[in-house]
Amino acid sequence: GAVVSQHPSRVICKSGTSVKIECRSLDFQATTMFWYRQFPKQSLMLMATSNEGSKATYEQGVEKDKFLINHASLTLSTLTVTSAHPEDSSFYICSARRDSNTEAFFGQGTRLTVV
Amino acid sequence: QKEVEQDPGPLSVPEGAIVSLNCTYSNSAFQYFMWYRQYSRKGPELLMYTYSSGNKEDGRFTAQVDKSSKYISLFIRDSQPSDSATYLCAMRPSGGSYIPTFGRGTSLIVHP
Repeated sequence: GAVVSQHPSRVICKSGTSVKIECRSLDFQATTMFWYRQFPKQSLMLMATSNEGSKATYEQGVEKDKFLINHASLTLSTLTVTSAHPEDSSFYICSARRDSNTEAFFGQGTRLTVV
Repeated sequence: QKEVEQDPGPLSVPEGAIVSLNCTYSNSAFQYFMWYRQYSRKGPELLMYTYSSGNKEDGRFTAQVDKSSKYISLFIRDSQPSDSATYLCAMRPSGGSYIPTFGRGTSLIVHP
């Protein structure tokens, strides 16, 4: 399968600071990338869908000013958690797909802890 | 009622057992069905991918889809301790946004 790299795998930050998470498709060009949040023993919660070169589409209830998504190239999307608070602590996972006829491959996830 | 229902488990089986994991769904528009394996603190890995009804086999894994019952299954033969993980089902329609809907995952423990 295709390789999607997510970085960092783990980050601890202070309350009020911003954190950037990167998602890269290493061996294919991803027209679409997805960002998920996962709580313990819960399923993946889709936060937003981003297409290269256009604004991300956020799911209902997800604050776009809080979770900034940039998909500047066909191999890179970033999620920035702005002014992080302890309730933002979670496991964030990205996925990327080549086109709408193929399945998406997931990154390894980022464990964010806000203290 | 959620669109995709999946028992969270945990499901504990001895090594060598046949494992059956299942999901039910309510949206008859779903046409593509996937199973992902997720190890602790890792991203999901695509295991099986099927279209419409029928069976698909890959090594020790068999995916089964029964659209009439809105029920899908993943069977694992000769289960190994390394199969211990959370298994998520996912499904999506053939048109529209192609974004899959995930089940909450079933935690599987295979003990030696």
